[in-house]
Amino acid sequence: DARVTQTPRHKVTEMGQEVTMRCQPILGHNTVFWYRQTMMQGLELLAYFRNRAPLDDSGMPKDRFSAEMPDATLATLKIQPSEPRDSAVYFCASGLVIWSDRGNEQFFGPGTRLTVL
Amino acid sequence: KQEVTQIPAALSVPEGENLVLNCSFTDSAIYNLQWFRQDPGKGLTSLLLIQSSQREQTSGRLNASLDKSSGRSTLYIAASQPGDSATYLCAASMNYGGSQGNLIFGKGTKLSVKP
Repeated sequence: DARVTQTPRHKVTEMGQEVTMRCQPILGHNTVFWYRQTMMQGLELLAYFRNRAPLDDSGMPKDRFSAEMPDATLATLKIQPSEPRDSAVYFCASGLVIWSDRGNEQFFGPGTRLTVL
Repeated sequence: KQEVTQIPAALSVPEGENLVLNCSFTDSAIYNLQWFRQDPGKGLTSLLLIQSSQREQTSGRLNASLDKSSGRSTLYIAASQPGDSATYLCAASMNYGGSQGNLIFGKGTKLSVKP
């Protein structure tokens, strides 16, 4: 049963601490997305990768957020230093783009619920 | 900039009723439109994907339609059941510039089906 996995599922930390969230995309998928969900803003794109290369990270606060794909089976989202306003659920999604001019179906992981005190 | 709107924000219906959830988008330059279901405290489950060249997709009791010219999509749920209670999100996949493939989400419609 192929699915996107995310760790940790829950994280409580104090303001100023570093937070690292991890995502394992579905094997064979070539695109990975990071989204953030809050009550006020809903779901927002933070960053996405195609074939491990970052294509768009304009939705991410650059001064404290960073996203990487060390290899095809791992994507990371790091916040340093964390702030209370970063409290949200962070979702990773993956998909397979076969043609560059065609959108792909995205499959979401269960999310990481982050609370920054 | 693409904006996706879902109305109503919440909907309560008795079991067995057929219902329609609405989604509208401002920019018709989409690759596809995807409908998701989200249960409380859970991730998103993909329900249906409609490519921009298609008019509708069906899966079981669900039918999604797409009208790009009017910027609208609907999700039709037949014979609703209490287990259908969840938040339903629609998302448009964009096809311009560096935003190829990323999803722009609506805020969702929270559906409650009463036994």
